[in-house]
Amino acid sequence: DQQVKQNSPSLSVQEGRISILNCDYTNSMFDYFLWYKKYPAEGPTFLISISSIKDKNEDGRFTVFLNKSAKHLSLHIVPSQPGDSAVYFCAASDPETSGSRLTFGEGTQLTVNP
Amino acid sequence: NAGVMQNPRHLVRRRGQEARLRCSPMKGHSHVYWYRQLPEEGLKFMVYLQKENIIDESGMPKERFSAEFPKEGPSILRIQQVVRGDSAAYFCASSPRQLYEQYFGPGTRLTVT
Repeated sequence: DQQVKQNSPSLSVQEGRISILNCDYTNSMFDYFLWYKKYPAEGPTFLISISSIKDKNEDGRFTVFLNKSAKHLSLHIVPSQPGDSAVYFCAASDPETSGSRLTFGEGTQLTVNP
Repeated sequence: NAGVMQNPRHLVRRRGQEARLRCSPMKGHSHVYWYRQLPEEGLKFMVYLQKENIIDESGMPKERFSAEFPKEGPSILRIQQVVRGDSAAYFCASSPRQLYEQYFGPGTRLTVT
């Protein structure tokens, strides 16, 4: 049962344009969401998070949007840079039933072309 | 402030041997999590520990796998009698408190031959 899904395994954008990565979830008890970036042979790096009491959180070039009614979140990267090329994972947490563990999506490979 | 440290980075074991993976959390972090990433898949939660206590092991296989986080020293993930299906990247993460961002180590890539 895949509770967090990233339906696009890959995304390619031009440098300077916007990258939009999408994530859907099925567990309505999730109330904290995170995005991680991962380079090959490295561990995931935390990027940005959002609590379910908000619908938007912004940090520099990264903005996360949360639509609770649609059980959907997205990560916007503006402007995209070649160094952003990596696998992006969304993750969710339900503190009531699953404690602190994170449930991850399968990841989206972002390629930013110069 | 050093990040989460894991060693070894690469580990090769023959079927039936034991694998020991170590994780030193970030300074000041007392919460440790282990995740496994199989090829072409996302990360899957295995176990959550605080010092000397296992809080949630619901993601751990029932047999051959164990974890500890002693009062002194790193957290250890132990896999006994490894099989080829155990080949994966094992990531450790730490956080200063519950319900907070988790910071990941570089992972240990286990290959079972």
